[in-house]
Amino acid sequence: AQSVTQLGSHVSVSEGALVLLRCNYSSSVPPYLFWYVQYPNQGLQLLLKYTSAATLVKGINGFEAEFKKSETSFHLTKPSAHMSDAAEYFCAVRRAGGSYIPTFGRGTSLIVHP
Amino acid sequence: NAGVTQTPKFRVLKTGQSMTLLCAQDMNHEYMYWYRQDPGMGLRLIHYSVGEGTTAKGEVPDGYNVSRLKKQNFLLGLESAAPSQTSVYFCASSYGMEGAVSNQPQHFGDGTRLSIL
Repeated sequence: AQSVTQLGSHVSVSEGALVLLRCNYSSSVPPYLFWYVQYPNQGLQLLLKYTSAATLVKGINGFEAEFKKSETSFHLTKPSAHMSDAAEYFCAVRRAGGSYIPTFGRGTSLIVHP
Repeated sequence: NAGVTQTPKFRVLKTGQSMTLLCAQDMNHEYMYWYRQDPGMGLRLIHYSVGEGTTAKGEVPDGYNVSRLKKQNFLLGLESAAPSQTSVYFCASSYGMEGAVSNQPQHFGDGTRLSIL
């Protein structure tokens, strides 16, 4: 079985501040992990993915995430928030070697204040 | 390259009416999925397909049917629409489980906004 927990349905930051969006997963075998972003009235777009090559993964738009096996976490960070980062962010997990049916977290809405 | 295309983008139905949502992908992906997105619920998988001619139930399949007659198309049907089916519906596609592509992400359409009155 696999599951994903995103802590905080809403995260509010000021422009220029650090962004930290939390994702914890459970998986019986090593997982593949993904972060997606959803802008208003659009579908989900891939931000970055972890596939065991490196624990620190860099994505688009200055985002990165670190895979920590001991903490079963894959938190998403960005050093300095921009107004354009305001969106919904989803973490997803899929078991390596299993059926390709990922499990999504419930999403975190990032609010950026001027 | 269009990616994943969903039609229609918006629709309003009356309770009891039927309709079909169409999803088309041009990336030769084996897997296709239908999700619904509701406030505070994230994405919930309705049905999915692992190849042409195959379908399987997801987390919330009741009230929906699907068909995958062609590899590039995945249809979602509502036989008798209910207000509880008011939602935003997303289609996605991905490579399957073979070799190096098994860690590839899903590609999503822009959604169909469906209201049932």
